[in-house]
Amino acid sequence: EAGVAQSPRYKIIEKRQSVAFWCNPISGHATLYWYQQILGQGPKLLIQFQNNGVVDDSQLPKDRFSAERLKGVDSTLKIQPAKLEDSAVYLCASSLQSAIETQYFGPGTRLLVL
Amino acid sequence: SQQGEEDPQALSIQEGENATMNCSYKTSINNLQWYRQNSGRGLVHLILIRSNEREKHSGRLRVTLDTSKKSSSLLITASRAADTASYFCARGGFKTIFGAGTRLFVKA
Repeated sequence: EAGVAQSPRYKIIEKRQSVAFWCNPISGHATLYWYQQILGQGPKLLIQFQNNGVVDDSQLPKDRFSAERLKGVDSTLKIQPAKLEDSAVYLCASSLQSAIETQYFGPGTRLLVL
Repeated sequence: SQQGEEDPQALSIQEGENATMNCSYKTSINNLQWYRQNSGRGLVHLILIRSNEREKHSGRLRVTLDTSKKSSSLLITASRAADTASYFCARGGFKTIFGAGTRLFVKA
């Protein structure tokens, strides 16, 4: 079974630029999550989708971050414009139905904002 | 804010010793999950323990849950150098909330 795929693996941009991350969850998984993990901290949930609907985005900085999950499969997370404090690893995860189940994580995208 | 808090923040032991990590949380849970993260990589699920369970085992891993104290512990027995990683507990419910993690270093 293929795991969660993410791209790119690394990205370096300058502040005020925009960036987009892509995630392909495990086939058949209804729930998809985007987390932000700052160095030395645990993952922080940014947004959770159930199929193509948003379940929770309470910690998503909506003035600069946006995410979509078209057709309930792939998802993209965008930052525009980026700030220095956005430097982090962005993790995508998926689970079969909901957040009370095991989550399977992708390798993450490491973002550095200069 | 993070609601799962791990203790200790860091732990250094010799190969062959046991490692115990603790996790506390503040609100009710549906389940508690433990994950491992090797440096620079994604998280790997270890064990999920439901709120009506008290103990679960998986190989060298043993997880306990005390809902009256709102705490859980992860025990790794006979540790190996390959166990060196960060370990996170996550409160499972409507949404999953991770703690800051315990950094385990196992010396060969």
